[in-house]
Amino acid sequence: AQSVTQPDIHITVSEGASLELRCNYSYGATPYLFWYVQSPGQGLQLLLKYFSGDTLVQGIKGFEAEFKRSQSSFNLRKPSVHWSDAAEYFCAVGTSGYALNFGKGTSLLVTP
Amino acid sequence: GAGVSQSPRYKVAKRGQDVALRCDPISGHVSLFWYQQALGQGPEFLTYFQNEAQLDKSGLPSDRFFAERPEGSVSTLKIQRTQQEDSAVYLCASSFLGVSGANVLTFGAGSRLTVL
Repeated sequence: AQSVTQPDIHITVSEGASLELRCNYSYGATPYLFWYVQSPGQGLQLLLKYFSGDTLVQGIKGFEAEFKRSQSSFNLRKPSVHWSDAAEYFCAVGTSGYALNFGKGTSLLVTP
Repeated sequence: GAGVSQSPRYKVAKRGQDVALRCDPISGHVSLFWYQQALGQGPEFLTYFQNEAQLDKSGLPSDRFFAERPEGSVSTLKIQRTQQEDSAVYLCASSFLGVSGANVLTFGAGSRLTVL
């Protein structure tokens, strides 16, 4: 069955520390991959996407993600977290269709 | 407009009432999606429009849910005889492209429905 898994429900990091949020997917073919961020009361904002080509993609706000086909993963990283990065992060997968399948999200808390 | 606009932002309904949620997509966007996001969950696909045609409504949870986009722009999601399990944030998204897995969706802020 097709699925998107974000293993970490909550993550806490100190401001200035590095961040990695995990995403694993299970699909028959290479999917299109996305990371969205959702702040309280806000809509989902696209951070970055992978369609093809270079497996390391750069996004907004200093985020990057690496597609690893062998591990079926698309982990999100940021070298130095800012307090304003505290939010809910969603990994999403699109296939040959049009709808996105979202993971359940990872809630990021940033401590001083 | 500059973004996807949804109204109302908040709606409280008594169980059994009908509600209507509106979505104004980005002008010129062909595709329009509705998603349902329950508390603590990721968004779940409800339905998809390409222009005025509803091409997929497989995610609608019951026949109490109905969506339309009669002129290919504004869309309305209607929920009849609301139940407590309908409480969620309803997200609308639009995209310039038609059917394609490479769709980049722009989401609205959502309509939070609370059914008492």
